[in-house]
Amino acid sequence: AQSVTQPDARVTVSEGASLQLRCKYSYSATPYLFWYVQYPRQGLQLLLKYYSGDPVVQGVNSFEAEFSKSNSSFHLQKASVHWSDSAVYFCAQLYQGGRALIFGTGTTVSVSP
Amino acid sequence: GPKVLQIPSHQIIDMGQMVTLNCDPVSNHLYFYWYKQILGQQMEFLVNFYNGKVMEKSKLFKDQFSVERPDGSYFTLKIQPTALEDSAVYFCASSLVNQDTQYFGPGTRLLVL
Repeated sequence: AQSVTQPDARVTVSEGASLQLRCKYSYSATPYLFWYVQYPRQGLQLLLKYYSGDPVVQGVNSFEAEFSKSNSSFHLQKASVHWSDSAVYFCAQLYQGGRALIFGTGTTVSVSP
Repeated sequence: GPKVLQIPSHQIIDMGQMVTLNCDPVSNHLYFYWYKQILGQQMEFLVNFYNGKVMEKSKLFKDQFSVERPDGSYFTLKIQPTALEDSAVYFCASSLVNQDTQYFGPGTRLLVL
């Protein structure tokens, strides 16, 4: 069965520090990959997506992600976090021809001052 | 970005009663989705709806569930009768075309007593 794994349930970083959130997918071909962020009592907001091409994808709020076929990964990164980046981050995949997003369990990010 | 609205934001209902969750998708979108998130767990796909028909559903989409979008109005999820295990946050999403970015609403928190 297809799955998305986010191994880190919680991450705490200091404001101004760098952040990396890990995501691994399981699909024999290359799926479409997404990172969403969920702020309290809000819906998911798209940060970035990868369909094909350049494996480094730029997103909103200076987030970027790198796709690696050899590692089946799509890690999210930000060079310098702000307190407003505190939220839950979800990695998701959509297999080609499919309609259902498959989500990871999410990583809660807490940015401390 | 594009906004998806959901009404109500919260609903408390007695087991066995009927409930209807309403979604106002992005105006020109053609594909509609419902996802379910139990507290502390990942979001899971329920159903995808296009052109008046259910295109794909998961095993979570029980016989007690139904969806419709009469005459381009709200996209609704109806549960009749409700069960205790239906307590969750239900997220609506929409996309312009299949395989495209799905935009999510803020969710309806359903509590079945």
